[in-house]
Amino acid sequence: QKEVEQNSGPLSVPEGAIASLNCTYSDRVSQSFFWYRQYSGKSPELIMSIYSNGDKEDGRFTAQLNKASQYVSLLIRDSQPSDSATYLCAVNEGTDKLIFGTGTRLQVFP
Amino acid sequence: DTAVSQTPKYLVTQMGNDKSIKCEQNLGHDTMYWYKQDSKKFLKIMFSYNNKELIINETVPNRFSPKSPDKAHLNLHINSLELGDSAVYFCASSRPGLAGVQEFFGPGTRLTVL
Repeated sequence: QKEVEQNSGPLSVPEGAIASLNCTYSDRVSQSFFWYRQYSGKSPELIMSIYSNGDKEDGRFTAQLNKASQYVSLLIRDSQPSDSATYLCAVNEGTDKLIFGTGTRLQVFP
Repeated sequence: DTAVSQTPKYLVTQMGNDKSIKCEQNLGHDTMYWYKQDSKKFLKIMFSYNNKELIINETVPNRFSPKSPDKAHLNLHINSLELGDSAVYFCASSRPGLAGVQEFFGPGTRLTVL
């Protein structure tokens, strides 16, 4: 069974701090990786995608991928209370299917 | 607005009933999905259609029957509803992107079976 694992949290960080969200995956052939944000009662929203080893930055978000360690992370700089949500990691191994982790709940307190 | 839309947003029904959820996307995507998200927030794929053809069927009870009349629509019919079917059901569509398949989700249908 291919798995994507995340710590369920909650991860609590103060406003202005860096939030670090981590994800590990079991299938070595995984090719592309996604971070979705889901506010309570809303649908998942794609915020970052990454497919090469290294870092990819988009505004306050940085995705980091290490395929050798089967590890992908999301850093949120200058965290805001509006970033409080559940962050879902998803992995695609080259098919039309994404495998989702169970999500990490992030709480940013003022 | 370009989007993935679902109806109804809320569905409350009795055990044993049959119900349908409709999904439409106007993004021009070829692939559409149904996901189930349970109370623990685990998002699990149920079905996927590519251009009206079923391509993924993930060990879902055959009480669940998807139908795709065209590539912009994917409906989900559920027979003989059970308590365990209570969840949020999300429709999604996807396009191939530089970083693989990128999926866009509808607003969800919260199904409550009493």
